[in-house]
Amino acid sequence: GAVVSQHPSWVICKSGTSVKIECRSLDFQATTMFWYRQFPKQSLMLMATSNEGSKATYEQGVEKDKFLINHASLTLSTLTVTSAHPEDSSFYICSARAVGGNTGELFFGEGSRLTVL
Amino acid sequence: TQLLEQSPQFLSIQEGENLTVYCNSSSVFSSLQWYRQEPGEGPVLLVTVVTGGEVKKLKRLTFQFGDARKDSSLHITAAQPGDTGLYLCAGVDGSSNTGKLIFGQGTTLQVKP
Repeated sequence: GAVVSQHPSWVICKSGTSVKIECRSLDFQATTMFWYRQFPKQSLMLMATSNEGSKATYEQGVEKDKFLINHASLTLSTLTVTSAHPEDSSFYICSARAVGGNTGELFFGEGSRLTVL
Repeated sequence: TQLLEQSPQFLSIQEGENLTVYCNSSSVFSSLQWYRQEPGEGPVLLVTVVTGGEVKKLKRLTFQFGDARKDSSLHITAAQPGDTGLYLCAGVDGSSNTGKLIFGQGTTLQVKP
C-alpha cells in the first residue's frame, strides 16, 4: 500500500526554538496533505490542509504564523512550529491523498511527538 | 462542518467478549472509513464502506454501513488483547471543498487477557 513517512518521529526542543516536521509520500504523488494534532487518548484534530503549490488552508483557531506549512512538491509537505512553547507539545500526524485516488482514503504518517521543555 | 459521533469512547473488556462501536451522524456521507491506531503511531486504515447497507468482514471484525449512509458500526467477535487500541471512524466532509476527513471522537478499547 501507499506509504507516508514522517520525520522526525520524536523531537525534544527548548522553549522559544522552532521545529520542522517533514511529511513525505514515498511511492505516490499527493496534491493534498493534511496535518493533525492529537492529545493522549483523543481523536485527531485537523490543523490545516496543505495543497501543493498554494497556501495552506487553516482550520478555525489554528494560528497560521505559529504553524507554518509548506507544500513545495507533490511528495513533501512540512510543518514548522515556530517559537515553540510547552503547550505546543503534542503528537503531530500528517496524511496524504494520492493523485487520482479514492476521495475518502488517506494514508497516514507514523506521527511525530514534539516535547517542548 | 459535518459531525461524527462515536460511542462508546472507552471500553474495557475481557478476552473473548464481543463488542460494538458506533459511529453516527445526521449527515449523509459518500463513504466512511475505520482506522485503528496504536500508541505512538499513525492511524492504519481498516476498511472503507461505500454502499448503503454494506457489510464488510475482516477476520473477527465486521463493519456495517447504514442504509441511509449516515451511520456505521464496527463489531468485534471474541476480542483478543491484540485488538487493544484506538478505533476511529472518519468521513469526508462534504461541506468542504478541500476533501478533508473528519473524525469521530475515537473509541479506546482495552482487552484484558
